[in-house]
Amino acid sequence: DTEVTQTPKHLVMGMTNKKSLKCEQHMGHRAMYWYKQKAKKPPELMFVYSYEKLSINESVPSRFSPECPNSSLLNLHLHALQPEDSALYLCASSHQAGAAYEQYFGPGTRLTVT
Amino acid sequence: AQSVAQPEDQVNVAEGNPLTVKCTYSVSGNPYLFWYVQYPNRGLQFLLKYITGDNLVKGSYGFEAEFNKSQTSFHLKKPSALVSDSALYFCAVTLAGGYQKVTFGIGTKLQVIP
Repeated sequence: DTEVTQTPKHLVMGMTNKKSLKCEQHMGHRAMYWYKQKAKKPPELMFVYSYEKLSINESVPSRFSPECPNSSLLNLHLHALQPEDSALYLCASSHQAGAAYEQYFGPGTRLTVT
Repeated sequence: AQSVAQPEDQVNVAEGNPLTVKCTYSVSGNPYLFWYVQYPNRGLQFLLKYITGDNLVKGSYGFEAEFNKSQTSFHLKKPSALVSDSALYFCAVTLAGGYQKVTFGIGTKLQVIP
């Protein structure tokens, strides 16, 4: 299984809502990532987990809260978001977090903040 | 600091003709280089990578890329383009021996004309 799955595919939320994005992989990868991608832009790294521990936080606002419950799951908890947070949120995984490993991406969650 | 330049926003090529998508990079050290492809409303898919060894790298779907250290380039090529190759292509770089902080280029839209 070489697939990274993400749910939901689409999410519309108000600025006072709390919601979560979910990502799952069953490739035995020990590194997982969250990216934010705006239209016609490259993905921007948000967080990196290595062996279920947060290893990189790219100065992401605290209204985004990542969680890695186990080696196959990655969540992104959302609270009090702003309209400018509307974007495609991509999850990815790689064998390990070293620079030589390619990443496998999920299809993304299209988030709209109203 | 590391950076990637993709000088062409869009490349148009006739079906059956060879295609080239350009990429140059800048890192303070040895690079690891990647190409990813993104179809509309999907996540990125890994195509190929250069880590070390042979400068000509072969990847998925008949794509190849040549690492040129003196010109700091890693252009993506395919001998005969297919309409189904039409997509957004991202070049990416990481620093050899470093952690998994990937820097993506802005992307090049490839349009293959039937």
